[in-house]
Amino acid sequence: NAGVMQNPRHLVRRRGQEARLRCSPMKGHSHVYWYRQLPEEGLKFMVYLQKENIIDESGMPKERFSAEFPKEGPSILRIQQVVRGDSAAYFCASSLGGSGSEQYFGPGTRLTVT
Amino acid sequence: SQQGEEDPQALSIQEGENATMNCSYKTSINNLQWYRQNSGRGLVHLILIRSNEREKHSGRLRVTLDTSKKSSSLLITASRAADTASYFCATDLNSGGGADGLTFGKGTHLIIQP
Repeated sequence: NAGVMQNPRHLVRRRGQEARLRCSPMKGHSHVYWYRQLPEEGLKFMVYLQKENIIDESGMPKERFSAEFPKEGPSILRIQQVVRGDSAAYFCASSLGGSGSEQYFGPGTRLTVT
Repeated sequence: SQQGEEDPQALSIQEGENATMNCSYKTSINNLQWYRQNSGRGLVHLILIRSNEREKHSGRLRVTLDTSKKSSSLLITASRAADTASYFCATDLNSGGGADGLTFGKGTHLIIQP
């Protein structure tokens, strides 16, 4: 049973470009979470999605960031017009259920904005 | 202090010794989870303890939870060089609002000296 998959593992973008990060949850998991980790910091929650629905996006910046989890295919975290401050590791996690369920993390995507 | 704050920030011990890390939090929780992160890698789920549990064991790991003090500890017994990593506690807030994102502390960086 494959774990949470994320791609790409590393992504380099110039300022102003768009970044698309993909996350495939564990088989059977319908709950997906995105987190951001800055160097030497813990993870910060960004958004929680179920299939075709955004449940909680309280940690997501209001501008330039969006997330989706379509009926078919992976969840996508999209960052438009990237700036240097967006450079971070972005982790996706999935769980079988909602509140109280264990979250399993992917290997992360390291975004570098030059 | 922030929700899910680990103490100490860094810990260096000899192989074979026990390592204890603490985590404090501020608001009521549904559960508390401990994760390990090796340098530059994703998070590995170690153990989940629910708010109605006081102690839990998994192999060389022992986790305690004191909801009256809003604190948890992670004990790693008979440490090995491979235990060198950053350890994070993450809380699942009992917010009642449906938000299920975990709140992470900044972590304890554990170094096991061979």
